[in-house]
Amino acid sequence: NAGVTQTPKFQVLKTGQSMTLQCAQDMNHNSMYWYRQDPGMGLRLIYYSASEGTTDKGEVPNGYNVSRLNKREFSLRLESAAPSQTSVYFCASSVQARGTDTQYFGPGTRLTVL
Amino acid sequence: QQQVKQSPQSLIVQKGGISIINCAYENTAFDYFPWYQQFPGKGPALLIAIRPDVSEKKEGRFTISFNKSAKQFSLHIMDSQPGDSATYFCAAAKHGGSEKLVFGKGTKLTVNP
Repeated sequence: NAGVTQTPKFQVLKTGQSMTLQCAQDMNHNSMYWYRQDPGMGLRLIYYSASEGTTDKGEVPNGYNVSRLNKREFSLRLESAAPSQTSVYFCASSVQARGTDTQYFGPGTRLTVL
Repeated sequence: QQQVKQSPQSLIVQKGGISIINCAYENTAFDYFPWYQQFPGKGPALLIAIRPDVSEKKEGRFTISFNKSAKQFSLHIMDSQPGDSATYFCAAAKHGGSEKLVFGKGTKLTVNP
């Protein structure tokens, strides 16, 4: 039981390049989330998926797209990376998309955009 | 609008001391208040949570104190240990709602040996 896994762990991009961050969970959770963490800014929600087949914008969705590939997998895509997207990205999952449901986080992807 | 305000941003405590982190919220509809703990290089993990029907919840050395009238809650770490060095996030949510969990900006705790 691996919980929430994320790939890659580290990535360096040049401005304008694209990439996809992968996330998978093996807890049979319905809901999945993507956050970014920046110093002094805490955790900010980018997108979430309440259930398979649905996605919704969070607090900071601009510059990102997501795909809920199936119940296990939720990917985050940067179409044209910008230095402002340098951050640590966390994927999380929960049983349901209720605020009171415990969220289980992956280990993160550290992204640097030059 | 920052819905959950957390302070201090950083905290240094000596081993054996008490660490106190405070949070304040505006939305009176919030009725679930968890704390997440994040070690360096790891993702956050739920540490302890409280609902407003009680004023205090204790789990080992970790205690949440809740003041509904002041719309404030705090995390107390008794007998702080170097292994407690981490970033702590408070959060708030509305029970039964689909609104997402709202996080504070985090407090970096360093416990010196």
